[in-house]
Order: sequence, then C-alpha cells, then structure tokens
Amino acid sequence: GQNIDQPTEMTATEGAIVQINCTYQTSGFNGLFWYQQHAGEAPTFLSYNVLDGLEEKGRFSSFLSRSKGYSYLLLKELQMKDSASYLCAVRDDNTDKLIFGTGTRLQVFP
Amino acid sequence: DVKVTQSSRYLVKRTGEKVFLECVQDMDHENMFWYRQDPGLGLRLIYFSYDVKMKEKGDIPEGYSVSREKKERFSLILESASTNQTSMYLCASSFQGMYEQYFGPGTRLTVT
Repeated sequence: GQNIDQPTEMTATEGAIVQINCTYQTSGFNGLFWYQQHAGEAPTFLSYNVLDGLEEKGRFSSFLSRSKGYSYLLLKELQMKDSASYLCAVRDDNTDKLIFGTGTRLQVFP
Repeated sequence: DVKVTQSSRYLVKRTGEKVFLECVQDMDHENMFWYRQDPGLGLRLIYFSYDVKMKEKGDIPEGYSVSREKKERFSLILESASTNQTSMYLCASSFQGMYEQYFGPGTRLTVT
C-alpha cells in the first residue's frame, strides 16, 4: 500500500526554527518533494530529495532517509509569510506520478 | 516563467450538468495531471497524461473523463456533475522524468 503521514497542524513564532516531519510507506520510491501552498493558491515547489542527506536552499532545508522512510522540512528564521500548508509528496517508482500527504498547516505568530 | 492556466477560478454548476475544466500550459511539458483537493484528504490524482491522446487513470477516476488533443491542453470532464464532486480542482504539468510539477491556480467547483 501507499501511505504518507505528516502532522496536520503546527504553530511557531516569528524568527524561530520549525521542523515538519513526513514518513512514508510506498510500493516504490524515486524521490521526495516538498511543496508550499498558501491558502487559496496553487502549490509551489520547494525541494526535491532522491538521495539520503540534507539539501539546503536558503532558509529552507530538506532531509531524507530512505532506509527509514522519513523526511523533514526545516524552516529557519521564520517569517509571517511562511504561514502556509506544506505538502510532502513521494514520486512513484515506475511513473511520474506523485503521491501526496494531506499537508501540514503551519501558523507563524508574531 | 512556467505558466499553467485554468479556465475558471470559480464555477457553480447544477447536479446532472456536464462540466468542462480546461488547463493550458506553455512550457511544452509532456506530462499533465488533474487533481482534486479536499480538506483532510490532500491532493488526489484523478487522471494524468504522458502525451497527446494518451491518458492514464489516477487514484479516483470514477465520474471523470479527460481529453488531450493538443500537447498544451488537458481537459477534465464531469459527465454528470454530482454534489460530491464539489471540490478544488488543480491542474499540473511537468517534463517526463520530471523533478517537479507546476500547478495552475485551481478551479473551485461547487455543484448544487
């Protein structure tokens, strides 16, 4: 079966660091994506991991452990505009399909 | 800049009506996808297409059909709309062997 789990909601304070976890169990695996989606808007691409380890891109970093079926998205120096939903998605092994988790809604407070 | 456009941002239809949702991309992407997004359920794949005139069922194809007559355009068709098809519909596109999908702004469809 295919299952992707991430927390439903998280809150954090402006300027802080937050880590959003994602665990997955899929029949095949060929990469993990993180997307950001502001309310009422389309998802936008944040990061892609296919090998184990940390990928850093400015204030955002994403980590993958394939053996543990685990990823996290790390957001540093949080800003109010980071309030959004963060979607974890796994690329199916044999196709270009993405399997999405239900998303984590992050609220950043002043 | 990649651009994926959808024909309507908001749409209200009556039960039993035939509904067409259009999606156009301008990046010569081979792959196109239709998702619906519902609270607590996330993004679920309805249909996708790897090439013109090709289509593959996603996870929830029942009640939907698609058409891809041109590479840049992918249409989602609700043959007879029902209230349980009230949702946000998102179109996306990507290159084959893709590393990211680009999403359109979405169509919020209400079926009354």
